[in-house]
Amino acid sequence: QSALTQPASVSGSPGQSITISCTGTSSDVGGYNLVSWYQQHPGKAPKLMIYEGSKRPSGVSNRFSGSKSANTASLTISGLQAEDESHYYCCSFAGASTWVFGGGTKLTVL
Amino acid sequence: QLQLQESGPGLVKPSETLSLTCTVSGASIGSSSYYWGWIRQPPGKGLEWIGSIYSSGTTYYNPSRKSRVTMSVDTSKNQFSLKVRSVTAADTAVYFCARHLRPDGFDYWGQGNLVTVSS
Repeated sequence: QSALTQPASVSGSPGQSITISCTGTSSDVGGYNLVSWYQQHPGKAPKLMIYEGSKRPSGVSNRFSGSKSANTASLTISGLQAEDESHYYCCSFAGASTWVFGGGTKLTVL
Repeated sequence: QLQLQESGPGLVKPSETLSLTCTVSGASIGSSSYYWGWIRQPPGKGLEWIGSIYSSGTTYYNPSRKSRVTMSVDTSKNQFSLKVRSVTAADTAVYFCARHLRPDGFDYWGQGNLVTVSS
């Protein structure tokens, strides 16, 4: 069970859109529609932003959206705001009642 | 409002057992249809799922940690617990408990408990 692959960092200017990728295999990301995304500010607990690949929990801005193509899931943040600067992690069901996280991506708002 | 709170020692000696408890408030573990999980994060690194447990005691563990990890639940106290045996410095991490939307992700998290393994 290997960690999902995320870019170490991405950046964007206020108002722009950015996409963070999360690449796995057909045994995890590609095999199920069960990818979740988390935002984590320094020293804080992660916050669920997307579940079941594309659904937003109540209270999460519609600027956050999720999608998937083959073995790669993506988190898109539109209308980038300063408060979006954070670390983002993906997580996928990996079969046999196991779950795997990505290595995390640091988003910098320029 | 559902809240989770980790508790346990912040310092554990190498080769000993790390023990943490998560106390849930705002919902009953025993009457809930959710699983409850443990996730850890070494300093400056990413998240790692350790395992999840149901109120019946059914457990699922990360295969790479299974040999040293045990989870349990006490519905009378509305708590679930984690034990990691034979710890080394590599087990130094912030340990989070969370509600697990099995088979999907984790929606409510505790604030985290930093455990340092050192003599």
